[in-house]
Amino acid sequence: EIVLTQSPATLSLSPGERATLSCRASQSVRSYLAWYQQKPGQPPRLLIFDASNRATGIPARFSGSGSGTDFTLTISSLEPEDFAVYYCQQRSNWPPVSTFGPGTKVDIK
Amino acid sequence: QVPLQGSGPGLVKPSETLSLTCTVSGGSISSVYWSWIRQPPGKGLEWIGYIYNSGNINYNPSLKSRVTISVDTSTNQFSLKLSSLTAADTAVYYCARDPGAPVHAFDIWGQGTMVTVSS
Repeated sequence: EIVLTQSPATLSLSPGERATLSCRASQSVRSYLAWYQQKPGQPPRLLIFDASNRATGIPARFSGSGSGTDFTLTISSLEPEDFAVYYCQQRSNWPPVSTFGPGTKVDIK
Repeated sequence: QVPLQGSGPGLVKPSETLSLTCTVSGGSISSVYWSWIRQPPGKGLEWIGYIYNSGNINYNPSLKSRVTISVDTSTNQFSLKLSSLTAADTAVYYCARDPGAPVHAFDIWGQGTMVTVSS
């Protein structure tokens, strides 16, 4: 089973600052790594798929990078609506198996 | 968009079996991957299982002995059954779509069904 580790657990920043979130896999997931944003009372929203591709309607301030075991989600300049919990997720191609990281909470400093 | 609507009981007794259904509107249930994912209160996300190609299934090994996922193409619904419930199964249960290549991620989610296991 592939285990995902996210760091930091909490990131305290101010609006306008840059956020850098990390996700590390216990073994290579190639580029099958996605990022989600979740706000209280809502389902997760897909931000990034295949490590670096923005999902439909996602602002350009969100970007993803990495491959293999180390991945990064960057928010270039935090907007008030970006304060939320962010999860990474890997999906093996065959057979399809998925795991989520424990999440990083981005809160207002 | 392909809205997903989950339905099922909000309260289930310990040792009983939970049954949830997800209705897919506005699109075919065939040829993509459908999943159930859960989230205990205040905690992270846990993938439960995939059903794809109208009948192939793969489960989270940690839940495999208690989970059954099925699909009914005639009603555009897929379902989850989770047996031998305990308080640890209390969670919001989401249904979600993974369209497969090139996305390989959950691009559409239902709103979630809060399920409490309590006597």
